[in-house]
Amino acid sequence: DQQVKQNSPSLSVQEGRISILNCDYTNSMFDYFLWYKKYPAEGPTFLISISSIKDKNEDGRFTVFLNKSAKHLSLHIVPSQPGDSAVYFCAASAVRKAAGNKLTFGGGTRVLVKP
Amino acid sequence: DVKVTQSSRYLVKRTGEKVFLECVQDMDHENMFWYRQDPGLGLRLIYFSYDVKMKEKGDIPEGYSVSREKKERFSLILESASTNQTSMYLCASSSSVATNEKLFFGSGTQLSVL
Repeated sequence: DQQVKQNSPSLSVQEGRISILNCDYTNSMFDYFLWYKKYPAEGPTFLISISSIKDKNEDGRFTVFLNKSAKHLSLHIVPSQPGDSAVYFCAASAVRKAAGNKLTFGGGTRVLVKP
Repeated sequence: DVKVTQSSRYLVKRTGEKVFLECVQDMDHENMFWYRQDPGLGLRLIYFSYDVKMKEKGDIPEGYSVSREKKERFSLILESASTNQTSMYLCASSSSVATNEKLFFGSGTQLSVL
């Protein structure tokens, strides 16, 4: 049973427009959320994160919104650029333990930004 | 910059073979992880280690084992490879003293089991 779900496997958007990627989670113990970006033949790279004490975090063109009551987060990319074409993974982490913290990932959303 | 290096980019093995996937990180990170990536399933955690000689099972440990004899190196072992282990394998590391859970990933090993 997937604890982190990205229900849209793909998204196509015109260059310059907004890309909105969604992610839902079921584990109420998750307190830290991240987005990773992955290009083909490369490992995922960290994009942006948000703690459960916040509802918004912004970094340049990327903004992550967290709705804890709905157990939902979203990533907004504005404006979208062709170089943003990649697979985006949502990830979540539970309360910090004494040793080791693991991330639980969603299934990914493939974004295509058309020129 | 953190560098996580996986020894092979592509591997082709036969069913029943013993397979070793090697991963080395150069940032003195305490935590190391092995994930596999499959279409539609995202990244699933196989095993992780938070210290030398320590290991914990992830979500899908069956058919795998790991070894961490040195802090910088974390090996994934497929004792008897099967076709359902054909996948992209990703190694990652993170610091225990960091204030967030950011993982640094290697470029991945695409394993095909025939």
